[in-house]
Amino acid sequence: EPEVTQTPSHQVTQMGQEVILRCVPISNHLYFYWYRQILGQKVEFLVSFYNNEISEKSEIFDDQFSVERPDGSNFTLKIRSTKLEDSAMYFCASSGDSEGGEQFFGPGTRLTVL
Amino acid sequence: QKEVEQNSGPLSVPEGAIASLNCTYSDRGSQSFFWYRQYSGKSPELIMSIYSNGDKEDGRFTAQLNKASQYVSLLIRDSQPSDSATYLCAVKGMEYGNKLVFGAGTILRVES
Repeated sequence: EPEVTQTPSHQVTQMGQEVILRCVPISNHLYFYWYRQILGQKVEFLVSFYNNEISEKSEIFDDQFSVERPDGSNFTLKIRSTKLEDSAMYFCASSGDSEGGEQFFGPGTRLTVL
Repeated sequence: QKEVEQNSGPLSVPEGAIASLNCTYSDRGSQSFFWYRQYSGKSPELIMSIYSNGDKEDGRFTAQLNKASQYVSLLIRDSQPSDSATYLCAVKGMEYGNKLVFGAGTILRVES
């Protein structure tokens, strides 16, 4: 069964460093998302991406964040200068269509900022 | 800020019983509703989606939607210890755009 994959599973970085989180969405899906979940808190939307551009972003997704689909399979989230409060699980999701489309989540990357 | 509300629990049920999980949402224009299961330290796993008023059944799971009351529920029949997890209600609607807005989740414990 097709699934979303993410690498790395765990990333430890120093405050102020740049990190890139990688995702491979389900191959025939068109809509891609990043969510995050701080320990013990709700899953929060960060950004949605369609047709090679951002379609929506949340207040969390400030200038320190960027997304890219560098090729036909990968979808990346970059955090330019990490802060302690960026420590969270980051989930990539994809869906086949936007009209009520079901979103399927990857296993997540645990980001720890020291 | 549009909200999705769930009772945090924990909800404890004996093995074999029916577990009933509830969710309310504030955006009356919401169109799509989803239940995800999340085991500790893992990612959300889609269980059910529902788009129309009424019931939708899939195996041991039944989702119920009442748009007039802005209420969606999940019933789990013949609960098993492996069903013990956090159940997340997620809503997508007109004001939310294409994103999912999640509730905080209800912890379910199935006791053998």
